Amino acid sequence: EAQVTQNPRYLITVTGKKLTVTCSQNMNHEYMSWYRQDPGLGLRQIYYSMNVEVTDKGDVPEGYKVSRKEKRNFPLILESPSPNQTSLYFCASSLWGYTEAFFGQGTRLTVV
Amino acid sequence: QQPVQSPQAVILREGEDAVINCSSSKALYSVHWYRQKHGEAPVFLMILLKGGEQKGHEKISASFNEKKQQSSLYLTASQLSYSGTYFCGTEKAAGNKLTFGGGTRVLVKP
Repeated sequence: EAQVTQNPRYLITVTGKKLTVTCSQNMNHEYMSWYRQDPGLGLRQIYYSMNVEVTDKGDVPEGYKVSRKEKRNFPLILESPSPNQTSLYFCASSLWGYTEAFFGQGTRLTVV
Repeated sequence: QQPVQSPQAVILREGEDAVINCSSSKALYSVHWYRQKHGEAPVFLMILLKGGEQKGHEKISASFNEKKQQSSLYLTASQLSYSGTYFCGTEKAAGNKLTFGGGTRVLVKP
């Protein structure tokens, strides 16, 4: 089944403790991206990757890191999480940037 | 810069029509439309590339006015299943950053 898989689905952590949210797709897509969703603010893109080894900042990249070493994986790293990074995070992939995007199930992160 | 969606919310009776607008201050390459139901991930509806092409998905269609940098999503003869939050996303160039609007909440009542 074609899908985008994020893990974990839910995470509660403490300020400053490094964490990684994984994202994997099995559709051989070139383009992958991360979004955060907060009430009233819609979906805001954090980082995107047009292909392997190429990543670029989205609209809200501060406090996040990504890497794209393989086509299928695009992990999101929070080196030192802060409470203002409490949010719902979505990973998405598409064949190209201007084609249909498939979203993962979401990761609800709480930083206390 | 985030595209502006209007209205922010709309309530419809089954069978009624509605229009959701998405405006940008920048020149656009493409406009993307997604629908998200409560507690779920966004789901793709359609993409419009510059050229003013109109597209459709069931009884939902959209247009893209390149000169005005505006797209409109048309919900025709709405069904209960159309309830959710609709987001438009805009790109300035192919494969570039995708910026979403704040969303339009649609509630369709029997």
